Amino acid sequence: AQSVTQLGSHVSVSEGALVLLRCNYSSSVPPYLFWYVQYPNQGLQLLLKYTTGATLVKGINGFEAEFKKSETSFHLTKPSAHMSDAAEYFCAVSDRGGAQKLVFGQGTRLTINP
Amino acid sequence: GAGVSQSPSNKVTEKGKDVELRCDPISGHTALYWYRQSLGQGLEFLIYFQGNSAPDKSGLPSDRFSAERTGGSVSTLTIQRTQQEDSAVYLCASSPPKGGYEQYFGPGTRLTVT
Repeated sequence: AQSVTQLGSHVSVSEGALVLLRCNYSSSVPPYLFWYVQYPNQGLQLLLKYTTGATLVKGINGFEAEFKKSETSFHLTKPSAHMSDAAEYFCAVSDRGGAQKLVFGQGTRLTINP
Repeated sequence: GAGVSQSPSNKVTEKGKDVELRCDPISGHTALYWYRQSLGQGLEFLIYFQGNSAPDKSGLPSDRFSAERTGGSVSTLTIQRTQQEDSAVYLCASSPPKGGYEQYFGPGTRLTVT
């Protein structure tokens, strides 16, 4: 069964600093990979996804992630943090082959210090 | 366009009562998913409907949980004889028939069992 590990349940960075949220998956066959963001009392919003093609993917709000097959990783980065980035971030995977259920990591709560 | 909607947004019920949670997916989306988000378990898949195919019920935690999807659109998640451990946020998502495999989430229903 698929599993997703997000290293660090809480990450704190200063405004303007680099954001790095880590995600590793367990599957030997590269799955589809997603990052979602959740603001308080809201549902999940897709930040970006990797399905095929270029391994560096860009998403909304200045975020990007790089798929590294050799490391089974899909880490999320943003060069300069903004106060509005404070939220919970979830990495998720699904099996290839069309619409499939998502398996989520435990989430990382990002705090931005002024 | 309209996103995924869920009702009610909050539901408080007494232990042992039955509850129904509703999800209206994005028009034209053929796949519909239910997930549960709780402090102890994180985000868990519950059930998945794809068109007219038999649903994938592999994530339902017990036979007290059931779901149906009428006319390929609206879905209802029913929890019978609610228990305190059922307290969680129940999220619904839908995805289009073709394309990037991302899921679009509703705002969730917060269920509290007293």
